Amino acid sequence: GQSLEQPSEVTAVEGAIVQINCTYQTSGFYGLSWYQQHDGGAPTFLSYNALDGLEETGRFSSFLSRSDSYGYLLLQELQMKDSASYFCAFQAGTALIFGKGTTLSVSS
Amino acid sequence: NAGVTQTPKFQVLKTGQSMTLQCAQDMNHEYMSWYRQDPGMGLRLIHYSVGAGITDQGEVPNGYNVSRSTTEDFPLRLLSAAPSQTSVYFCASSRGTSDHRELFFGEGSRLTVL
Repeated sequence: GQSLEQPSEVTAVEGAIVQINCTYQTSGFYGLSWYQQHDGGAPTFLSYNALDGLEETGRFSSFLSRSDSYGYLLLQELQMKDSASYFCAFQAGTALIFGKGTTLSVSS
Repeated sequence: NAGVTQTPKFQVLKTGQSMTLQCAQDMNHEYMSWYRQDPGMGLRLIHYSVGAGITDQGEVPNGYNVSRSTTEDFPLRLLSAAPSQTSVYFCASSRGTSDHRELFFGEGSRLTVL
């Protein structure tokens, strides 16, 4: 079958670094995407990994290991505004399938 | 550009009523899709379309119909609403028909079925 697993909740303090893991299972894999969602609003695209390795976009980085069916989103220099839900997703055929999401709470 | 526009933003229905959630995009995207979001369940794909005249089922299609007569519009129809369809519905689009790494989402339609 096809599935994605990620932790339901993560907590951290301002200025810290946090890693949100995602493991997946699928027969055909193109790449792993990450999305952010604030307070039930529209999800927004953060990053995408098609190949193994690290992709960096400002304070956010995303990593993929295709051999381990594993990826993670790394958030550095955490700010209060980073409190949100984060979703990993992969493309299955012509559709994008999402994990259940990780709620990140950043405290001061 | 307005991006992806969904209407209505809020709706309350009674069990058995029918309604249509509207979705329009002005980015000339070929691919459009509908998701529902329930607490603890993430985003689940209902239906999607890779172009005008072409639609397909996603993970949870039962109780919903879609059509794609134009590139811009992708309405979602609830045929006979049930309390289990109480949810937040998101419409999303992407540029490519084969590469959907980046979806653009609307602001959501919050539906309550009594």
